[in-house]
Amino acid sequence: GAGVSQSPRYKVAKRGQDVALRCDPISGHVSLFWYQQALGQGPEFLTYFQNEAQLDKSGLPSDRFFAERPEGSVSTLKIQRTQQEDSAVYLCASTLMDRGGKDTQYFGPGTRLTVL
Amino acid sequence: SQKIEQNSEALNIQEGKTATLTCNYTNYSPAYLQWYRQDPGRGPVFLLLIRENEKEKRKERLKVTFDTTLKQSLFHITASQPADSATYLCALGGSSNTGKLIFGQGTTLQVKP
Repeated sequence: GAGVSQSPRYKVAKRGQDVALRCDPISGHVSLFWYQQALGQGPEFLTYFQNEAQLDKSGLPSDRFFAERPEGSVSTLKIQRTQQEDSAVYLCASTLMDRGGKDTQYFGPGTRLTVL
Repeated sequence: SQKIEQNSEALNIQEGKTATLTCNYTNYSPAYLQWYRQDPGRGPVFLLLIRENEKEKRKERLKVTFDTTLKQSLFHITASQPADSATYLCALGGSSNTGKLIFGQGTTLQVKP
């Protein structure tokens, strides 16, 4: 595909369940970002990968959140023991180069997570 | 802490008028600023980037200004159309090497025919 894809688009979890959210970036894109967007708010940075290396995870809200990108392409964001406050849209973005952030970020459609 | 503020209330304008959206920031020295458009149920889409040493940038009906003294960016849409109705996000970047963006909360624009 031409753009960033994410799956599933919607996920409903019971409190305490583990979830895994997938991101397929644009082919060849070096950098990959995860953001969390609460209703009515702007996206908030969670973590950043340059190829397979996770260079910044300062935005992950707790140790229940874990992200990986083992082969430098597809990435998975995992949330363990989900809580209601985890309900949000999780956005993935990728950029072609790694030039300290001057590049356009291409966003996927997001995964809407609802924790009951 | 770093803070970005955009018009919290929705902006309603008549078709053909110029829409002006504001982005103010504090406790931050961005190397550049980006504007994105977000439609309901979709991810943000990049519109324009302006660097700290640039005063103004234009692209078709869009214009962005960047005043690092006032710590403010203005985003203009001239000859607005109903299709311009969306939420517009400003994002600051460049203070770290990771390229992460810090977003404002967004301003919803409604253009009425």
